[in-house]
Amino acid sequence: EPEVTQTPSHQVTQMGQEVILRCVPISNHLYFYWYRQILGQKVEFLVSFYNNEISEKSEIFDDQFSVERPDGSNFTLKIRSTKLEDSAMYFCASSVVGQGGGGYTFGSGTRLTVV
Amino acid sequence: SQKIEQNSEALNIQEGKTATLTCNYTNYSPAYLQWYRQDPGRGPVFLLLIRENEKEKRKERLKVTFDTTLKQSLFHITASQPADSATYLCAPDRGSTLGRLYFGRGTQLTVWP
Repeated sequence: EPEVTQTPSHQVTQMGQEVILRCVPISNHLYFYWYRQILGQKVEFLVSFYNNEISEKSEIFDDQFSVERPDGSNFTLKIRSTKLEDSAMYFCASSVVGQGGGGYTFGSGTRLTVV
Repeated sequence: SQKIEQNSEALNIQEGKTATLTCNYTNYSPAYLQWYRQDPGRGPVFLLLIRENEKEKRKERLKVTFDTTLKQSLFHITASQPADSATYLCAPDRGSTLGRLYFGRGTQLTVWP
């Protein structure tokens, strides 16, 4: 069964540092997403990406965040200057179609801890 | 703003019984509704999608209904097993915003032997 792979599984960083979370989506998927889940809270949408550009972003996805697909396989989320409140589980997801055609495949997540 | 409510309490049932989980939504009209399973420390796993013009959808022991009048979806697991214990998330989807799913808080299901 194809998987979305995320690395690292756990990242601890100092407040104010930059972090890059990495994802390898499923190879024939065209749409890519980042979601996050603060401990005990709902899964929240951050950003969607299609055709090498951002399709939509949420209010959470401010100027501190950026996404990139640097090559044909990787999809990254960068947080420029981390804050304590950025501590969460970050999930990458991908899908064949944008919406309605089926579900999204999520990775196992990166647990980001900002200290 | 849109609001999604799932069973507010955890659901505990005995093995072999049918689990019924509820998802209610307000302030928007989804074209689709997705259900996911989430295990502790893991990402959501897609289970089923139902469209607004479908009343019911089945997959093995799972059944989902979608009532756009009541603004409600019911998720049933028949012949439940301890391995079904997890948190189940619903995500009503407008279908007009690319990739933005709004998830409910989830219902934590425990199936005891």
